[in-house]
Amino acid sequence: DIVMTQSPDSLAVSLGERATINCKSSQSLLYTSNNRNYLAWYQQKPGQPPKLLIYWASTRESGVPDRFSGSGSGTEFTLTISSLQAEDVAVYYCQQCYGTPHTFGQGTKLEIK
Amino acid sequence: QVQLQESGPGLVKPSETLSLTCTVSGGSLSSYYWSWIRQAPGKGLEWIGYINYYGMTDYNPSLESRISISVDRSKNQFSLKLTSVTAADTAVYFCGKLVGAAYPVDSWGQGTLVTVSS
Repeated sequence: DIVMTQSPDSLAVSLGERATINCKSSQSLLYTSNNRNYLAWYQQKPGQPPKLLIYWASTRESGVPDRFSGSGSGTEFTLTISSLQAEDVAVYYCQQCYGTPHTFGQGTKLEIK
Repeated sequence: QVQLQESGPGLVKPSETLSLTCTVSGGSLSSYYWSWIRQAPGKGLEWIGYINYYGMTDYNPSLESRISISVDRSKNQFSLKLTSVTAADTAVYFCGKLVGAAYPVDSWGQGTLVTVSS
């Protein structure tokens, strides 16, 4: 299985500031034939299912605010929230879809400082 | 917009079989993949497996000996069976839709809590 490791486990950021979450995979998620990285990011609020934010490492899902952005390639990826809003408090997960099982990172809890 | 809804018993006895159904509304099962994911209380997400319209499946090797995912095209539903459950299978079970085999889940059900206890 591909192991996904997120850092940090938790993060406190002031409103309006930038939040950065990292995700590393145990093998490359880059499919060279189409130059796409099969890495997704989700947001999960308490009592709710996860919500897809980003796929192919950097493509924003329809309706997701543009303060959310994804970057990285190969084995290292980053989710950035450019200006933290109160409604962004949640747990964030990365997931690889390069190979089955589609494994998830352990999650990063984002709070307001 | 496709909507998904899980249904099934909320309590299952140890060693018995957990059976859940996901009903899809607002769209057809065809052209997509359909997945089950679970989340133990206070824990992270675990990918269980998926099925496509034609019945092709892929399961998490850690669960493969105990799971079966099937599709009922006539009812626009797909189902999960997990045999020989233990307390470690207590979790919120989510069903979800993928646009393809190598894609993330872009639509989720609300999830259903299944507790394994005697």
